[in-house]
Amino acid sequence: GDSVTQMEGPVTLSEEAFLTINCTYTATGYPSLFWYVQYPGEGLQLLLKATKADDKGSNKGFEATYRKETTSFHLEKGSVQVSDSAVYFCALTPRANSKLTFGKGITLSVRP
Amino acid sequence: NAGVTQTPKFQVLKTGQSMTLQCAQDMNHEYMSWYRQDPGMGLRLIHYSVGAGITDQGEVPNGYNVSRSTTEDFPLRLLSAAPSQTSVYFCASSLLWDTEAFFGQGTRLTVV
Repeated sequence: GDSVTQMEGPVTLSEEAFLTINCTYTATGYPSLFWYVQYPGEGLQLLLKATKADDKGSNKGFEATYRKETTSFHLEKGSVQVSDSAVYFCALTPRANSKLTFGKGITLSVRP
Repeated sequence: NAGVTQTPKFQVLKTGQSMTLQCAQDMNHEYMSWYRQDPGMGLRLIHYSVGAGITDQGEVPNGYNVSRSTTEDFPLRLLSAAPSQTSVYFCASSLLWDTEAFFGQGTRLTVV
């Protein structure tokens, strides 16, 4: 079945450090790919998305590129801030069944 | 804009009791889903719906029922609560299969 695998966490970085969070997926066909973020005590909200191969999603300084050849959608940010501390989820929706499937999430803590 | 509204925010149940978690959206979205969030497990899909009158099972449907009589509402019923159903539950809706999912604030359920 369809699945998303995220790197193990948690991740702790100093402010202004470079961030990479790995995400790989298994799906039939061409799913849409997403990154969602969950701030403490809140529901999830969309951070960025990509709907076809080689698309780059970007928002708030975060970027991720849809790589079909490596079935990956890694999240990057050049300089993290304390306010980026949250849980980050990689997710996909296959065209065939519309089920939004999430990875396990990773907690990012950014210290001043 | 109310978005996705979940009630209640907190609930404590005794083993064997039944209850309904409410979810309503005012965005005229066709797609609605229920997830549970447990530590280290990410978000797991319980049930989802692609339109009024249409529902299907997700990854962890046992012990839960849903119905979708209107576009706006998608209640989740716990038939006979068990301690294993202690979790945070999120409802989500989206316009299309590959568009942004909007999440409610969550319901924290404890079964004792």
